[in-house]
Amino acid sequence: GDSVTQMEGPVTLSEEAFLTINCTYTATGYPSLFWYVQYPGEGLQLLLKATKADDKGSNKGFEATYRKETTSFHLEKGSVQVSDSAVYFCALSGGTDKLIFGTGTRLQVFP
Amino acid sequence: NAGVMQNPRHLVRRRGQEARLRCSPMKGHSHVYWYRQLPEEGLKFMVYLQKENIIDESGMPKERFSAEFPKEGPSILRIQQVVRGDSAAYFCASSTDSGYGYTFGSGTRLTVV
Repeated sequence: GDSVTQMEGPVTLSEEAFLTINCTYTATGYPSLFWYVQYPGEGLQLLLKATKADDKGSNKGFEATYRKETTSFHLEKGSVQVSDSAVYFCALSGGTDKLIFGTGTRLQVFP
Repeated sequence: NAGVMQNPRHLVRRRGQEARLRCSPMKGHSHVYWYRQLPEEGLKFMVYLQKENIIDESGMPKERFSAEFPKEGPSILRIQQVVRGDSAAYFCASSTDSGYGYTFGSGTRLTVV
């Protein structure tokens, strides 16, 4: 079945460092891909999405490109801030409305 | 425009009791989804409902768990005879007919003691 694999955390960075969180997927057909962010004690917020190959989703300085040839959707940010500390989830939707999530990657940014 | 409202935010139950979790979708949203997040894990799909119908319950445990989304009122996720392994965060999401605007609530954190 469809699945999402994320790099394990925690990822620990200093403020203004470059961030990459890897995400690869397995799916039949052409899924939509998402990154969600979860701050402590809160629900998930949609960070960005891409619905077809080569699409680039971006929001708040984060971006990710839908790479069909490598089945990847890696999350990047050029300069992280302390306020970016959270858990990041990669997810896919195979057209059935339900989302399939990766296990999440905790990001810790220190000043 | 209120988002997806879940209550209670925190729920403590003793083993063997029943837990009822409520979810009010966003205004204009007619589709509701329930997910469970075990400690240090990602969210796992449980069930997808529309008004008065269960569309997909492939992620629901076979016993003790049930869900409904009545014509009037919130969606309810019900867990009977809770066990310690049911301790988790339960998230609800809602969307419009087309799946647009998929939005999560803040979750209910269930602790079974």
